[in-house]
Amino acid sequence: AQKITQTQPGMFVQEKEAVTLDCTYDTSDPSYGLFWYKQPSSGEMIFLIYQGSYDQQNATEGRYSLNFQKARKSANLVISASQLGDSAMYFCAMREADTGGFKTIFGAGTRLFVKA
Amino acid sequence: DTAVSQTPKYLVTQMGNDKSIKCEQNLGHDTMYWYKQDSKKFLKIMFSYNNKELIINETVPNRFSPKSPDKAHLNLHINSLELGDSAVYFCASSPRDRLNYGYTFGSGTRLTVV
Repeated sequence: AQKITQTQPGMFVQEKEAVTLDCTYDTSDPSYGLFWYKQPSSGEMIFLIYQGSYDQQNATEGRYSLNFQKARKSANLVISASQLGDSAMYFCAMREADTGGFKTIFGAGTRLFVKA
Repeated sequence: DTAVSQTPKYLVTQMGNDKSIKCEQNLGHDTMYWYKQDSKKFLKIMFSYNNKELIINETVPNRFSPKSPDKAHLNLHINSLELGDSAVYFCASSPRDRLNYGYTFGSGTRLTVV
């Protein structure tokens, strides 16, 4: 079974509008971390935002916010005021305990296109 | 000052060869990782090291052997390369092996096996 599901292979958004990238996860562990990463066409991976499973408030980092709905097991990324430079692949990831340490599993990614 | 540096950036080699990818981080992080990103952009963990000790070893062919001489370095050696090994290999690090730390990634090594 998929642990991290990103159902939108590709998304378009108009510049300056907000966009939501969906992510659902599956775990029976009460303690876990949720992350979003950005991968521009240049290929590097950039950490954007983190949400802990016990955090009461949604995480925010500048124009990024994470809409955390624990009961639904969803961790959607909201990007406000989209910019052309936001065009990239976006990966949702979950970190949980594994034998001997912690493991981060990534979703398949959503490619975001920002239109001028 | 590059935080996580990988060399080489590109590697083209023939089937059957042996090759190594090097990774170094200057962040003082305790934990380092190797991930493989396939042609569909799917990222899969291969190995995780904490203070030079192997802590996660996913189901990876034993042709892949990581080595961590110290906590700032994690190298990946691949024997008898196969066409299916073609991918982008990312090294990453995090301050500790804990839930709440994001990764700092290297720029990736694009391996092409011909």
